[in-house]
Amino acid sequence: NAGVTQTPKFRILKIGQSMTLQCTQDMNHNYMYWYRQDPGMGLKLIYYSVGAGITDKGEVPNGYNVSRSTTEDFPLRLELAAPSQTSVYFCASTFTTTAYNEQFFGPGTRLTVL
Amino acid sequence: LAKTTQPISMDSYEGQEVNITCSHNNIATNDYITWYQQFPSQGPRFIIQGYKTKVTNEVASLFIPADRKSSTLSLPRVSLSDTAVYYCLVGVMFSGGYNKLIFGAGTRLAVHP
Repeated sequence: NAGVTQTPKFRILKIGQSMTLQCTQDMNHNYMYWYRQDPGMGLKLIYYSVGAGITDKGEVPNGYNVSRSTTEDFPLRLELAAPSQTSVYFCASTFTTTAYNEQFFGPGTRLTVL
Repeated sequence: LAKTTQPISMDSYEGQEVNITCSHNNIATNDYITWYQQFPSQGPRFIIQGYKTKVTNEVASLFIPADRKSSTLSLPRVSLSDTAVYYCLVGVMFSGGYNKLIFGAGTRLAVHP
């Protein structure tokens, strides 16, 4: 298994541009997440999904959109990029059977908005 | 949500045992305690999880006192490759389907030769 994969690894955007960060997992996990991590800080949850067709907001959803059409894919859309969205974005997934299961993280996408 | 407090940074030397303590005074009955490790330019990686007493795996040990208001991650005989940020998280992950885990700033562990 490849686990959680993210593309691209790096991206530079101009203010006002849009882009989609891709996330795919091959572990048949039903829960998927998007986090952002600013320099020297912990991770903040942007959006999460409990299964195909079901998504919900996390702590910092403004400026982002998600969709979940399949179990494997959970893309994150940035509309009208702003400098405040400069960050490292991590996608994660988990399979829920009990009260807690570990999250598996992707390698991250480093985004710079100039 | 249970808030956690852990040291911002720690220094150690190769071969030493490192103990990182996390305070979580308002931990709820159903909350688990979980530790993640993050290397630079990588996503966090699950280390260990526990509910009470002691848990040990091939990487670390987790000590949780009876009142569960704190926990200690113990890394035996650290090496340079253990230099990373360590996050203590407390929560029930899927209560109502919402991820109630909060990643704080973590503890930056630096292991020196």
